[in-house]
Amino acid sequence: EIVMTQSPATLSVSPGERATLSCRASQSVSSNLAWYQQKPGQAPRLLIYGASAKAPGIPARFSGSGSGTEFTLSISSLQSEDFAVYYCQQYNNWPLTFGGGTKVEIK
Amino acid sequence: EVQLLESGGGLVQPGGSLRLSCAASGFTFSSYAMSWVRQSPVKGLEWVSVISGSGDRTHYADSVKGRFTISRDNSKNTLYLQMNSLRAEDTAVYYCAKEPYESIGHYQDYWGQGTLVTVSS
Repeated sequence: EIVMTQSPATLSVSPGERATLSCRASQSVSSNLAWYQQKPGQAPRLLIYGASAKAPGIPARFSGSGSGTEFTLSISSLQSEDFAVYYCQQYNNWPLTFGGGTKVEIK
Repeated sequence: EVQLLESGGGLVQPGGSLRLSCAASGFTFSSYAMSWVRQSPVKGLEWVSVISGSGDRTHYADSVKGRFTISRDNSKNTLYLQMNSLRAEDTAVYYCAKEPYESIGHYQDYWGQGTLVTVSS
């Protein structure tokens, strides 16, 4: 099973600042990596797939990069609605696996 | 607009059974694979099972293999998860999720709001 490790566990950021979230895979997943956003009481929402492709309706301030084992989700200028938990997921190998999440909180 | 509505969750004793349903609308149901993903405070997000659009291919997490069965009725636009021999560690919110292609093995592009399953005596 591929283990996905996200860091940091919590990221404190001021509105308008840039946030950079990391995700590491225990073995290569090529570019088969997705990012999701989850707000309290809500289901996860797809942000990024294929490591860098944005899902429909996702604002331009969100971007994904990386391949192999190292991936990054960047939020260029945090808005109030962006404070949430973010998960990465690999879909290169069975079973599909998720990271433990990074909580982005208001500083 | 894609809509996924789960039902069937509840409280069940260890060893018991439960069947979850997911009613889909807003897209051509038979053209897309569908997954179940669960979430608990202990294990976080955990992918459970997937079925192809035609229903001829399925895959399961090892933790549920032999106990859970995924199926779909394309005439009713409904996805199912039959859960048998339930254990305390199956306690979670269960999400139904759509995949972007007919084939299995991809990410999930739309999610339902989830249904809570609690396994406890």
